[in-house]
Amino acid sequence: GAGVSQSPSNKVTEKGKDVELRCDPISGHTALYWYRQSLGQGLEFLIYFQGNSAPDKSGLPSDRFSAERTGGSVSTLTIQRTQQEDSAVYLCASSGSGPTYNEQFFGPGTRLTVL
Amino acid sequence: GQQVMQIPQYQHVQEGEDFTTYCNSSTTLSNIQWYKQRPGGHPVFLIQLVKSGEVKKQKRLTFQFGEAKKNSSLHITATQTTDVGTYFCAGRNRGSTLGRLYFGRGTQLTVWP
Repeated sequence: GAGVSQSPSNKVTEKGKDVELRCDPISGHTALYWYRQSLGQGLEFLIYFQGNSAPDKSGLPSDRFSAERTGGSVSTLTIQRTQQEDSAVYLCASSGSGPTYNEQFFGPGTRLTVL
Repeated sequence: GQQVMQIPQYQHVQEGEDFTTYCNSSTTLSNIQWYKQRPGGHPVFLIQLVKSGEVKKQKRLTFQFGEAKKNSSLHITATQTTDVGTYFCAGRNRGSTLGRLYFGRGTQLTVWP
């Protein structure tokens, strides 16, 4: 596609439910990143994929959070037993893996609200 | 661990005034990138600086990378209402061209007409 897409754009769930957030990166981009942004706050790094492997998952806040990437393309971020503090915008970004110039292209985000 | 600090957190200016945001890293960086996020939008890449002491300009925006590759700044001359948004710097560890980008907390710019 022309850009990074994410779905759903909005998700409202009840505390304790599981949610899955999807990211479709730009075709050919091997690197994929997940971030979390609370209202008016900065970008909190969650996890980085290179291909299907995740060499850096240091930002996942707890074991309720997990992510996978298949076929070197689509990625899914899963949050189990959601809590109210999980409410935020979840942003996905992808980038190429050239030798020097690897800007990140961000998707529009998924706004998660946990009631 | 790696930290990228950015100041100020907020800046309110009158249209026509200048604006500067500063970024400092606890370690030497291989490069630094700048992003802009409009209210309600997602971050959009502005520029990347790679060389020590590098200065790049985009119209009214001037970006600098420090000699030690540990600090950077973004200066906007004669701000306009279209400059409103949050500006983030982001750096990679020395020797790395892939992997995690360490983002600053951002500077939220408000411009009064």
